[in-house]
Amino acid sequence: EVQLVESGGGLVKPGGSLRLSCAASGLAFSHAWMSWVRQAPGRGLEWVGRSRGGGGTTDYAAPVKGRFTISRDDSRNTVYLQMNSLEAEDAAVYYCVWMNTVTSYGSWGQGTLVTVSS
Amino acid sequence: QSALTQPASVSGSPGQSITISCTGTSSDIGSYNFVSWYQQHPGKAPKLMIYEVSNRPSGVPDRFSGSKSANTASLTISGLQTEDEADYYCSSYGSSSTGVFGGGTKVTVL
Repeated sequence: EVQLVESGGGLVKPGGSLRLSCAASGLAFSHAWMSWVRQAPGRGLEWVGRSRGGGGTTDYAAPVKGRFTISRDDSRNTVYLQMNSLEAEDAAVYYCVWMNTVTSYGSWGQGTLVTVSS
Repeated sequence: QSALTQPASVSGSPGQSITISCTGTSSDIGSYNFVSWYQQHPGKAPKLMIYEVSNRPSGVPDRFSGSKSANTASLTISGLQTEDEADYYCSSYGSSSTGVFGGGTKVTVL
């Protein structure tokens, strides 16, 4: 069974930075495609970006491109989301997701809350 | 890639069947058989219910089914049960190769 545990959320001021971590187990991590999906309070799901398995090529959604960076440490079975220049609109629950196929989101973590406020 | 369009809400009585639509374009749903559906109960993480239009992951009841016609995908819940009350989201691969979700549909069991 795939298990994903996010950490690193919290309160940050506008313009600040935060790094989220996601520890994975129950899967061949180095080959796994991993995504980050966020959900603002009372809103729908929004894809943030992904790290492709077998090399870690990354893709990002337009609203976060240039500000957010996804990286991974295959030796620790962990994927990271570095968030810089945070804006109020970035406030959300951030989910780490394992992609069971290259186009579907098979297993989700419990989510970690990011609050952006002065 | 624009968000996919879903109805805000759908309701039905226990035992009935309901269908949730997800409308995209010829650049996403219309061109690829890569539509997936997710169920989310309040305060919980989403759960994959259908992938690649009509495939069910292990453990998902067979009363959940998916289909597609042209630029619109559909999720049908047959024999509606009280525990099916939740938000449902669709997602599709698109020519831009970025991820996109629908706005979500709240299913109410009357």
